[in-house]
Amino acid sequence: QVQLQESGPGLVKPSETLSLTCAVSGYSISSAYYWGWIRQPPEKGLEWIGNIFHGGSTYYNPSLKSRVTISVDTSKNQFSLKLSSVTAADTAVYYCARQGGVGYTYWGYWGQGTLVTVSS
Amino acid sequence: DIQMTQSPSTLSASVGDRVTITCRASQSISSWLAWYQQKPGKAPKLLIYKASSLESGVPSRFSGSGSGTEFTLTISSLQPDDFATYYCQQYNTYPLTFGGGTKVEIK
Repeated sequence: QVQLQESGPGLVKPSETLSLTCAVSGYSISSAYYWGWIRQPPEKGLEWIGNIFHGGSTYYNPSLKSRVTISVDTSKNQFSLKLSSVTAADTAVYYCARQGGVGYTYWGYWGQGTLVTVSS
Repeated sequence: DIQMTQSPSTLSASVGDRVTITCRASQSISSWLAWYQQKPGKAPKLLIYKASSLESGVPSRFSGSGSGTEFTLTISSLQPDDFATYYCQQYNTYPLTFGGGTKVEIK
């Protein structure tokens, strides 16, 4: 059973960099599938941030592209998100997820989510 | 970007009701559409992919239909566990985009 678990600071200061890690169990991140990040501001809808393939190829949301980096660490079976120059608008629950089907970017497996608050 | 518009934004219904949620895409996405259910404080759960394919383990009272720009999610007989918010998502083109959500409330 594939399981994903986000971790990272719950509070980040404005203008700093948000860093989160998603630990994957039950499946090797080196195999097929894209691995992604999705966020949800409080009481709002879902926003796709980006995704990465195990070989390192990435797709990012153009609205965040200049500030986002997603990377993968196959030795630890985890992938990471960095979002720079954060503002209060980046306050959200951040989810990591795995594609539901090879080659199709819908999300079949999700982490429980982690709330990141941007505040001084 | 492809805009996804869901309607209604809120729906009040009773247990046993047949419920239909609509999702419209700003341009054709073929059948590359997924539906998710989200309960408060929980991650979204995949219900339907490729517009009408039921994810394993999802009750058969959930069904999806449509292609091109108009899609529907139907719950044939609403159960207490189904009161939640539902989102559609297109995966035809990057950037991936979600609808704004439909909250199904108890009438």
